[in-house]
Amino acid sequence: DAGVTQSPTHLIKTRGQHVTLRCSPISGHKSVSWYQQVLGQGPQFIFQYYEKEERGRGNFPDRFSARQFPNYSSELNVNALLLGDSALYLCASSLTGHYGYTFGSGTRLTVV
Amino acid sequence: GIQVEQSPPDLILQEGANSTLRCNFSDSVNNLQWFHQNPWGQLINLFYIPSGTKQNGRLSATTVATERYSLLYISSSQTTDSGVYFCAVDLSGSRLTFGEGTQLTVNP
Repeated sequence: DAGVTQSPTHLIKTRGQHVTLRCSPISGHKSVSWYQQVLGQGPQFIFQYYEKEERGRGNFPDRFSARQFPNYSSELNVNALLLGDSALYLCASSLTGHYGYTFGSGTRLTVV
Repeated sequence: GIQVEQSPPDLILQEGANSTLRCNFSDSVNNLQWFHQNPWGQLINLFYIPSGTKQNGRLSATTVATERYSLLYISSSQTTDSGVYFCAVDLSGSRLTFGEGTQLTVNP
């Protein structure tokens, strides 16, 4: 079985632009979570979706949004990019969203 | 929110040495996981261990939930063990809170 897949792997954007990151969970997993990892720090929780409903949201501005599709894949959208949005964005899937998270390889976003 | 503290922040070992990494957390948790982040950024799940002891090869982990700490043991370390080790806990069942990590360097 394929693990958690994320695309693209790397991305360079200009300040003010919009970006969409994509994640496909492990087959059978119904929960997808998004995390932001700034260089030198631990990942920070952004969103969790379970069965297409938002279950949790971290302390991020409204420029960050996400959704989950009927096939349980997910998109993370960030509007009006700032230099500080440069980070590794990680997606995690789990069967129920309560434990046993498996992470993808991440999307490395650079805002210039 | 819940606080997660990891120690030491940095650790340098010679190949073959043993080590213990510690994770303290400030509240009762439903979930605790140890991860290894490789140089390419991939977070590899090592253990799901909200309580008790588990072993997987040269790695083992113990969580004492009543005292709010977890330990990760690495025996006979290898250069491929290098990377950042994260402890992450889940209080509410919907999100992981990560510590700042332990940067491990194993020299040949």
